[in-house]
Amino acid sequence: EVQLVESGGGLVQPGRSLKLSCAASGFTFSDYNMAWVRQAPTKGLEWVASISYGGSNTHYGDSVKGRFTISRDNAKSTLYLQMDSLRSEDTATYYCARHFAYVMDAWGQGASVTVSS
Amino acid sequence: DIQMTQSPASLSASLGETVTIECRASEDIYSNLAWYQQKPGNSPQLLIYDANSLADGVPSRFSGSGSGTQYSLKINSLQSEDVASYFCQQYNNYPPTFGSGTKLEIK
Repeated sequence: EVQLVESGGGLVQPGRSLKLSCAASGFTFSDYNMAWVRQAPTKGLEWVASISYGGSNTHYGDSVKGRFTISRDNAKSTLYLQMDSLRSEDTATYYCARHFAYVMDAWGQGASVTVSS
Repeated sequence: DIQMTQSPASLSASLGETVTIECRASEDIYSNLAWYQQKPGNSPQLLIYDANSLADGVPSRFSGSGSGTQYSLKINSLQSEDVASYFCQQYNNYPPTFGSGTKLEIK
């Protein structure tokens, strides 16, 4: 069974940093592209970042470019999202997702991030 | 970026009814469209990709259709477990973008 389990969420002050992790199991992690998608409270879905299966190619949404960094450790089957210079508008549930050509075919349960003083 | 406009924003229907949710893209997305279901308190789950291909394990009462800029998700014989929000997403152009969602309730 495919499982994606996020961790590392929490309450953080504006301007500070937070790092999310996503532990994958039930599939060969190194064969798949991965992404982070977020959902602000009572809002829709927003693609945040993607990384290729080998880790060499990364892409970011305009709202996080230059502040967030996506990375992966295939030996540990783990995806990461380093979030710097956090803003109140980054408050959301962050989902880790497996994707093929940006079709998200498996999702984690989400990690809640609240940016507030 | 491609804008995805979903309608209606909310929908109430009776058990056993057929419901249709529409999604319009701001330009041709060549059937590169997915639908996701998000049940209350849960993460989204893939329902349909390539506009009309059912994802693994999805009941056959769900179907997708459309082309160009206009797409729809149809749910036949509405069940109580179909109460959820539904989102469309285009992946023809970078960045991938989502519709604002349709909240489906049982009447």
